[in-house]
Amino acid sequence: SAVISQKPSRDICQRGTSLTIQCQVDSQVTMMFWYRQQPGQSLTLIATANQGSEATYESGFVIDKFPISRPNLTFSTLTVSNMSPEDSSIYLCSSSSGDQLRTDTQYFGPGTRLTVL
Amino acid sequence: AQSVAQPEDQVNVAEGNPLTVKCTYSVSGNPYLFWYVQYPNRGLQFLLKYITGDNLVKGSYGFEAEFNKSQTSFHLKKPSALVSDSALYFCAVRDRFSGGYNKLIFGAGTRLAVHP
Repeated sequence: SAVISQKPSRDICQRGTSLTIQCQVDSQVTMMFWYRQQPGQSLTLIATANQGSEATYESGFVIDKFPISRPNLTFSTLTVSNMSPEDSSIYLCSSSSGDQLRTDTQYFGPGTRLTVL
Repeated sequence: AQSVAQPEDQVNVAEGNPLTVKCTYSVSGNPYLFWYVQYPNRGLQFLLKYITGDNLVKGSYGFEAEFNKSQTSFHLKKPSALVSDSALYFCAVRDRFSGGYNKLIFGAGTRLAVHP
């Protein structure tokens, strides 16, 4: 299974600023995913990042607010732009790779706990 | 619409007793089902999955789950609960419209509390 790290592990930010979250995988992976987990809630997929192509965003999430980079097969970043207190959440990245992408297991990073004041 | 339901917000179990965390799904065709656990201030850890084959799936930390197609359920079970099993448990199903990759739909989560 892939081992995933995220930086920062937590941050407290002022409204109107932006934060970039890094996700590093210890092996090459095909797909990387970014999720948001609002306080006391389940996981909501923000976007899917495939290396070498634009990220695919889910309904309700836009690139201007959550720009994503995927420069290589082991790394991705998510930026939370022009933050407001409603953006306070845990942001998690996950990866999926294997011969059978449709059935492959997603492995998750430890998450980034963001608080916006 | 595709969905996953975890009908219990919280499950309380005494240590040493069997535990069950319930999950039902709504998806057409053959579902791909997953269980994850989230400990405090940690990411999600994979427990087990059902893709095809034997309806009883064994996973990490002594957990198992039984796929029941007629009841559209995938309940998580463990014969003897430990205090260290106390965590938040998520059931997930593959979105069958996610094309060539494994996009997941998560349930709301069930908090398991195991008391000494």
